[in-house]
Amino acid sequence: KNEVEQSPQNLTAQEGEFITINCSYSVGISALHWLQQHPGGGIVSLFMLSSGKKKHGRLIATINIQEKHSSLHITASHPRDSAVYICADIQRGGGADGLTFGKGTHLIIQP
Amino acid sequence: EPEVTQTPSHQVTQMGQEVILRCVPISNHLYFYWYRQILGQKVEFLVSFYNNEISEKSEIFDDQFSVERPDGSNFTLKIRSTKLEDSAMYFCASSEALVQSYYGYTFGSGTRLTVV
Repeated sequence: KNEVEQSPQNLTAQEGEFITINCSYSVGISALHWLQQHPGGGIVSLFMLSSGKKKHGRLIATINIQEKHSSLHITASHPRDSAVYICADIQRGGGADGLTFGKGTHLIIQP
Repeated sequence: EPEVTQTPSHQVTQMGQEVILRCVPISNHLYFYWYRQILGQKVEFLVSFYNNEISEKSEIFDDQFSVERPDGSNFTLKIRSTKLEDSAMYFCASSEALVQSYYGYTFGSGTRLTVV
């Protein structure tokens, strides 16, 4: 059974700090998502990646397929980055398989 | 930017009643999904739907649940006889192609179902 583990579960940092959130998964995957969930509950897809690195604004996501590990980095963090960040993966194979979600990292950026 | 629209945003129902949660996926998307998130827990996969039939379903998606795409635009999740433990946020998502083809998901904003 695929397990997706995230760390840390909770993270509080000061505005401007560099943030790293880690994600590990147990079985081979096709792609991994990083998602953002705001207090109202809505989920926004930030990245989907299957190799290497992607960057969007102040967000950077990396993945190491051999080590089954991915990281999400936030540079120059801001209070509006406060949210729950979730990684979710999809395993190799055909079909419209659903995502397996981690429990999320609750990030608070203090001014 | 195209959106996945879910209605209602919040529904309260009595235990044992049937509920239908509605979703309008992005128009050119082909793959549709329902997920749920019980308060304080992680998001869980319920079912995926492609070409007018269920593609995959999880253990959670038992005989009390059903999905359909009645008119080519709406995608619905029906819970036949709600239980207290069905209280959760239900998310609809759609994708243009298989995730393995590197197209991402778009999620709806969710329907919060409260069973009393």
